[in-house]
Amino acid sequence: DTEVTQTPKHLVMGMTNKKSLKCEQHMGHRAMYWYKQKAKKPPELMFVYSYEKLSINESVPSRFSPECPNSSLLNLHLHALQPEDSALYLCASSPIIWDSSTDTQYFGPGTRLTVL
Amino acid sequence: AQSVAQPEDQVNVAEGNPLTVKCTYSVSGNPYLFWYVQYPNRGLQFLLKYITGDNLVKGSYGFEAEFNKSQTSFHLKKPSALVSDSALYFCVGWGGSYIPTFGRGTSLIVHP
Repeated sequence: DTEVTQTPKHLVMGMTNKKSLKCEQHMGHRAMYWYKQKAKKPPELMFVYSYEKLSINESVPSRFSPECPNSSLLNLHLHALQPEDSALYLCASSPIIWDSSTDTQYFGPGTRLTVL
Repeated sequence: AQSVAQPEDQVNVAEGNPLTVKCTYSVSGNPYLFWYVQYPNRGLQFLLKYITGDNLVKGSYGFEAEFNKSQTSFHLKKPSALVSDSALYFCVGWGGSYIPTFGRGTSLIVHP
């Protein structure tokens, strides 16, 4: 099973709301990733977790707060977002990070976020 | 610095004809190259990868890609295009860092 699931599929929120995105995988992967993707553009890496620890933060604003409660689950907490944060948020996982040049990343279907 | 270039925003091909989606790369060290496909409002699906070995890599859904070191290219090919192949295609490279480099994406349109 090479499935990464993401909930919700769609999310509409106001700029003062607090919401969370959820990502789950049961492939035993120890590296998990958050990407942001604008329409018809490549995904932009936001965060990388390795063995439940934050390994890479690509200078993401603090209104995005990632969390990795266990090896199967990855959350992205959202607070005080701006309309320009509207995008497709993709989660991905791979077996391990240290050999990530050869490991395949498996992507979830994404959460379509709209900030009003 | 590393980069992955997809020179075409869009590729149009008739159903049944061969298709090629181009990718060139510039990475430090040994290049590790991937192709992903994205259907509308969906995540990225892995198609194939080149790590080492044979320059011709076969992948999912009848796709293949040829690694050419002298031309620093990794073009995606399929002998006979299907309308259902219409999607956005991304070439991705790794060059020794933990951060992948994505090409800008090529929209493939297969006409019936």
